[in-house]
Amino acid sequence: GQNIDQPTEMTATEGAIVQINCTYQTSGFNGLFWYQQHAGEAPTFLSYNVLDGLEEKGRFSSFLSRSKGYSYLLLKELQMKDSASYLCAVMDSNYQLIWGAGTKLIIKP
Amino acid sequence: GAVVSQHPSRVICKSGTSVKIECRSLDFQATTMFWYRQFPKQSLMLMATSNEGSKATYEQGVEKDKFLINHASLTLSTLTVTSAHPEDSSFYICSAKRTGDTGELFFGEGSRLTVL
Repeated sequence: GQNIDQPTEMTATEGAIVQINCTYQTSGFNGLFWYQQHAGEAPTFLSYNVLDGLEEKGRFSSFLSRSKGYSYLLLKELQMKDSASYLCAVMDSNYQLIWGAGTKLIIKP
Repeated sequence: GAVVSQHPSRVICKSGTSVKIECRSLDFQATTMFWYRQFPKQSLMLMATSNEGSKATYEQGVEKDKFLINHASLTLSTLTVTSAHPEDSSFYICSAKRTGDTGELFFGEGSRLTVL
């Protein structure tokens, strides 16, 4: 079956760095997405990785290793507004998105 | 940027009535749109995939006669919750994939349905 695993909840301190991991087993691979979702709102797009390596976009970076079925989202200089759920999603061979359950990130002052 | 508008954002209805939620891609054409529901503190659950001009593909366990999906144009998909019951109360979100794009989804703002 298809499976996306990511931690349920993480806590970090304002100004610090946090890494949210995502492992996946899917039938085929056509890219991995990270979305941010604040409570009661729709998800917003953060990143898309289809090749191995690190993609940096401001305070957020996303890494992919296709051979290991692994990705992480790195958030630097954490701000209180970064408190949200972070969803990992993989596009399979049928171009369908398989969603992880999301990681709730709690930022403390 | 690509904008998806969802309407209404909040709706309260009586048990047994039907509610229609619209999802519009404002500045792009979307051959494919997706409908999700999300219960509090849970992740998105895909309900159905809607392709313009054809019948929607429903996920296992989703009643197609209860959740009617129509995708009559490249910019509009609608979800109708028929004979709504309190257990249908949820956050319904649509997303659209721009025609020709490989994967990025653009999400609507979501619609919170409360059935009394």
